[in-house]
Amino acid sequence: GAGVSQSPSNKVTEKGKDVELRCDPISGHTALYWYRQRLGQGLEFLIYFQGNSAPDKSGLPSDRFSAERTGESVSTLTIQRTQQEDSAVYLCASSPDYTGELFFGEGSRLTVL
Amino acid sequence: GQQVMQIPQYQHVQEGEDFTTYCNSSTTLSNIQWYKQRPGGHPVFLIQLVKSGEVKKQKRLTFQFGEAKKNSSLHITATQTTDVGTYFCAGLVYNFNKFYFGSGTKLNVKP
Repeated sequence: GAGVSQSPSNKVTEKGKDVELRCDPISGHTALYWYRQRLGQGLEFLIYFQGNSAPDKSGLPSDRFSAERTGESVSTLTIQRTQQEDSAVYLCASSPDYTGELFFGEGSRLTVL
Repeated sequence: GQQVMQIPQYQHVQEGEDFTTYCNSSTTLSNIQWYKQRPGGHPVFLIQLVKSGEVKKQKRLTFQFGEAKKNSSLHITATQTTDVGTYFCAGLVYNFNKFYFGSGTKLNVKP
């Protein structure tokens, strides 16, 4: 498709389980961001990939969170040993370069029971 | 620390009233973008401002970028119920090459 695609759209998991969230950015977009948005809250920056530069991981809340990006394509966000406070919508956004408009996906809603 | 501050956090207006949200940065910005997130949706790009003192209009929406490129505002004239949502600014900070989002202003419009 033409837009940013995220999967799964909804994920319900049990506390302590690992989850993997996927983001397919728009083809050719070099910049990719992951954000966390708790209910009724703002956008919490998690990680930023730009081209071949080392990713900016300064927003990852703990070592349970990690993310990878293969070249300028798919990115996966992994949360290990999930906790109830990880429940949120995880949004991915891509951009043609580091200065341009961010195109957001629909998000992955994570619920940790 | 927080690079881009946004106020107010919430705004409740009667339909037809005006609305303004403000963003301030502690450092100079290369550019600033504005996004709108409808309830249950994802943020959608509205506009980008690049030049010092720039003013852009989209129908009832007016966007301004300060002379020092450290602040910006979004003003909506005569709000409508379709304006309901959260408005975010995002500033590109020099030398960091990434966007910092403000905390957002949630607008509620009463018919």
